[in-house]
Amino acid sequence: NAGVTQTPKFRVLKTGQSMTLLCAQDMNHEYMYWYRQDPGMGLRLIHYSVGEGTTAKGEVPDGYNVSRLKKQNFLLGLESAAPSQTSVYFCASRAIRTGEDTQYFGPGTRLTVL
Amino acid sequence: RKEVEQDPGPFNVPEGATVAFNCTYSNSASQSFFWYRQDCRKEPKLLMSVYSSGNEDGRFTAQLNRASQYISLLIRDSKLSDSATYLCVVIPSNDYKLSFGAGTTVTVRA
Repeated sequence: NAGVTQTPKFRVLKTGQSMTLLCAQDMNHEYMYWYRQDPGMGLRLIHYSVGEGTTAKGEVPDGYNVSRLKKQNFLLGLESAAPSQTSVYFCASRAIRTGEDTQYFGPGTRLTVL
Repeated sequence: RKEVEQDPGPFNVPEGATVAFNCTYSNSASQSFFWYRQDCRKEPKLLMSVYSSGNEDGRFTAQLNRASQYISLLIRDSKLSDSATYLCVVIPSNDYKLSFGAGTTVTVRA
């Protein structure tokens, strides 16, 4: 199993450009999450999904959109990038079973907006 | 007030020492608690769940104090490889969302 993968690993954008971050998991997990991590602020939830075709807003959703058309993929879109969106973005999927509740994270996407 | 608060540290300890730190949470209805470990510029990984009765995993011991609303992590016989940032994670009852602390940095020196 590849676990959780993220594409791309690094990206530099100019203000106003758009892009899509792709997250894929091969563990058949229902729940998927997008976080951003900034120095000293920990992980903040952007959007999440509890199943194919469903999405919900997290703590800091403004400026982002998401889609979960397939169970294994969770896409994060930036329609018009701003310097404040410079961050490290982590995707995670979550396994909830008897005796287990674990989030598996992807390796992250390092985004710089100039 | 933040939902989950941690002392950022850093805790600088020599190899073989014991180090312990806490994490406080504000939602008294929280039901699930975890410690994750994050190495520099890498993704977080689950270190251990925290059970009501406390639990051990090798050199790591986690405790939950519901009355005072904090969890703790103790590392015995510290190794150089324990150097990392430790993230506290709290999940309210019946909630899909997890709340992360900003992390406590531990540096173990030779």
